[in-house]
Order: sequence, then C-alpha cells, then structure tokens
Amino acid sequence: DAKTTQPPSMDCAEGRAANLPCNHSTISGNEYVYWYRQIHSQGPQYIIHGLKNNETNEMASLIITEDRKSSTLILPHATLRDTAVYYCIVRAQTLTGTASKLTFGTGTRLQVTL
Amino acid sequence: KAGVTQTPRYLIKTRGQQVTLSCSPISGHRSVSWYQQTPGQGLQFLFEYFSETQRNKGNFPGRFSGRQFSNSRSEMNVSTLELGDSALYLCASSLGDRVAGYTFGSGTRLTVV
Repeated sequence: DAKTTQPPSMDCAEGRAANLPCNHSTISGNEYVYWYRQIHSQGPQYIIHGLKNNETNEMASLIITEDRKSSTLILPHATLRDTAVYYCIVRAQTLTGTASKLTFGTGTRLQVTL
Repeated sequence: KAGVTQTPRYLIKTRGQQVTLSCSPISGHRSVSWYQQTPGQGLQFLFEYFSETQRNKGNFPGRFSGRQFSNSRSEMNVSTLELGDSALYLCASSLGDRVAGYTFGSGTRLTVV
C-alpha cells in the first residue's frame, strides 16, 4: 500500500473550515484514498473515501488533486466534537477484488478551539 | 442498527496466560478485521477474516490467532501473554467488497501484568 504523509497537528477555530492535507505521491491507479478519525479512546470512525473525483457526504468533503498525489479533507464547520486524530489511508485492491488491510500512519491531531 | 460489539471492554491478565477476545460485526457484514493499538506502534493490522477464512494477515507472531464463525462473529486469541501485548484491540467489520468502509468497535483494552 502507498505511504501517506500528514502534518502531525493542526488547530482550527470552532465554526471555521478545517482543511487537513495528505500527501500520497506514490499512490497507484487502483488505490483509493480513505479518511478515518479517532476520538480519544474510541475506535476509528470512517469519514469518506474516493478514487479520483471529489466526494462529499454529511460529514466532510474530500478533494483529490488531478494527479492523485495529494488530497485534502475538509470539515466545513468544525466543532469541538471534531477534535480527534485524523488518518489518511490509501488502500489497495487485489486483482481478485478482495479488500485489503488498512495501514494507519500517525495521522493529524486536529484541535478545535473556541 | 447495532454497531460492532466487542467484549469484554477491559481485561487484566498475567504474563504467560492466554486470552480470547470477541467481536460481533454489524449484521450482514462478512468481513472482520483485528487491529492492535499501542502508544508506541500506533494502529497495526493483525488479520482479516471473510466468510470464515483468513484472507489477510499482518506481521505478528504466531501467538496471535483468530477465527470467524458461520454467523460472522470473530474471536482472536493471544497465547503466552507478554507485557508488550498490553494494548487496545480493535475489531472492524465491513461488507468485504472492494471499496466498503470499515466500522470499528470500541475495542478491548488488555493489560498484561
């Protein structure tokens, strides 16, 4: 699986957009980009994933660059409850189509403040 | 709908003992994965089961094993516990197809003394 690079920490004011970057310059054509977050002492929570196109759901938006070498997770209106560690993961699919493991890096610790 | 259920939530064991952790996936999910989380190593993949077959395995010693039952429930076993096995053990379930996201349980916190 391709390796990802994320800043270790970021701050964001409540109500503002939080933009979390991720670099995955060695991503392969069949690898998806996934984002998870982990709030202290809980299991990771799935946020969003994408292959090439930008994606949006009720939690966040995912912007993937045209060359797919980097992406940005956007939380449009961050709240205190969004304080967590955010993991960007690229996930390979085998030729048989079976799902592969998730390889977690160290993630970005997002602190949302008043 | 019910989420991923892991039991027990907390466990204290003595070095040398063995332990079995249980995971009940979301109904309809056929894939169950296990992860170990420690402060030093972060989240590390242990193994994944799909339809009772192990189809992916991480880089852990043979003391770590697992299985999946016909109802998709899964157990993982750690034999001859070491102090370094103290960790949060997380189970995640998914539909098991190419792009399905994983839903994680709250984990079992194992302390080896």
